[in-house]
Amino acid sequence: GDSVTQMEGPVTLSEEAFLTINCTYTATGYPSLFWYVQYPGEGLQLLLKATKADDKGSNKGFEATYRKETTSFHLEKGSVQVSDSAVYFCALIRGNSGGYQKVTFGTGTKLQVIP
Amino acid sequence: DAGVTQSPTHLIKTRGQQVTLRCSPISGHKSVSWYQQVLGQGPQFIFQYYEKEERGRGNFPDRFSARQFPNYSSELNVNALLLGDSALYLCASSPTGGTLQYEQYFGPGTRLTVT
Repeated sequence: GDSVTQMEGPVTLSEEAFLTINCTYTATGYPSLFWYVQYPGEGLQLLLKATKADDKGSNKGFEATYRKETTSFHLEKGSVQVSDSAVYFCALIRGNSGGYQKVTFGTGTKLQVIP
Repeated sequence: DAGVTQSPTHLIKTRGQQVTLRCSPISGHKSVSWYQQVLGQGPQFIFQYYEKEERGRGNFPDRFSARQFPNYSSELNVNALLLGDSALYLCASSPTGGTLQYEQYFGPGTRLTVT
C-alpha cells in the first residue's frame, strides 16, 4: 500500500539557518505530493504542492521538488524564522475521476526554531 | 470566503457513549473527508464523501460512520466510545475538477476526549 516516510524530529535550528526535512514515498500510479503545516492547537494548513514529476512547489520561502526517480519530496527553506516553528506533514494523494481521493500522511516532523 | 468549519471545538465523553461531529465545507466544495489524528502522529484517513456518497473508507471499525447532506455538510458519528478514540478529528474539503481535484483544505478540528 501507499506510505510516506519523514525524518524523525524534533528538528531544532537557530534563526536564519537552512532547513531540510526529508520525505520519501511509496505509491502506485502517479500521486500528487503535498506539504502541510500544523501550528500548535490548530488544524493543518496547505503549505505547498506538486502534481507531477519535476514540479517544484513553493510558498512563503519553502520549496520542494517532486523527484520520481528517488521517490522524494524534501522540504527546504533557506532561512528559517521563529514563526516557522510547527509540525510539518508530508502527504500524497491519489485520486480518480470518480471523486475518490486516497490520502496518506507521514508521521510529521516537529521543527523548533530558536532565536 | 469562509474556510472549513467544524463543531464543536472540544468535547468530553465517557466510554460507551456516542458522539456526533459536524463539518461544513468551503462553499462550492462537494467532497468532504474525515481524519483521526492521535497526539504525536499524522492524520489517519477515516472516510471520504463526494456528492453525498461514500467514496472511500479507511481501516476503522464499524463504530465509525458518516454521512453527507444535500448542502455538502457532513457528520461523523462514533458509537460505543473507547479511550483510544481520544484524538483530534479533522475534516477536509476538496474542490472538483482539474489539478485542484487533489487539494484538500482542513478545518481546525474537534478535540475529543474520552474518559
